Amino acid sequence: QKEVEQNSGPLSVPEGAIASLNCTYSDRVSQSFFWYRQYSGKSPELIMSIYSNGDKEDGRFTAQLNKASQYVSLLIRDSQPSDSATYLCAVRGLTGGGNKLTFGTGTQLKVEL
Amino acid sequence: NAGVTQTPKFQVLKTGQSMTLQCAQDMNHNSMYWYRQDPGMGLRLIYYSASEGTTDKGEVPNGYNVSRLNKREFSLRLESAAPSQTSVYFCASSEAGTATYEQYFGPGTRLTVT
Repeated sequence: QKEVEQNSGPLSVPEGAIASLNCTYSDRVSQSFFWYRQYSGKSPELIMSIYSNGDKEDGRFTAQLNKASQYVSLLIRDSQPSDSATYLCAVRGLTGGGNKLTFGTGTQLKVEL
Repeated sequence: NAGVTQTPKFQVLKTGQSMTLQCAQDMNHNSMYWYRQDPGMGLRLIYYSASEGTTDKGEVPNGYNVSRLNKREFSLRLESAAPSQTSVYFCASSEAGTATYEQYFGPGTRLTVT
């Protein structure tokens, strides 16, 4: 079982719709969770971090965390063509210690006009 | 602030050649990391340095060495390049000792080994 799993996609949504990206993780003691956006040919860019159960909103982005279900999601409201990118989920756990993050392989999002 | 910078941006090596990838950060972060990214494999940690003077192996360290030159700089060396090391290499940094552990990435080095 992969430590961090994401559906590779592509996930296609029409412009203006809500895009929902999901991530599950295997380490029950994981403490910190991150969403990165990566445009083709570019480096990952941090867009959201979440540390406690519930929702965290930042502009059009909402991160949702459910530690009991070992599930973290990212909602993008009013999706725009500029949101088309690969979204990486990253998890920091106590297993192995330190500041290391484990990344999923990413979900490709396509926002269509 | 430039954030995390990496040199070179592109490199082509022949099998058996050596090279060093350079990384520097100006955010006064304690921790620095080297990743490689391959299609379908995601980001995989090669080596990391939790603080100046320390380095540790990550998930895929074979064929690589690192040096934490000072708090700002963390270099990755390929002693004898192999085609399997063709990849995109990213350096990242984060603040240690805080609750955030957010990592910030450099622009990457695209390496081809022929």
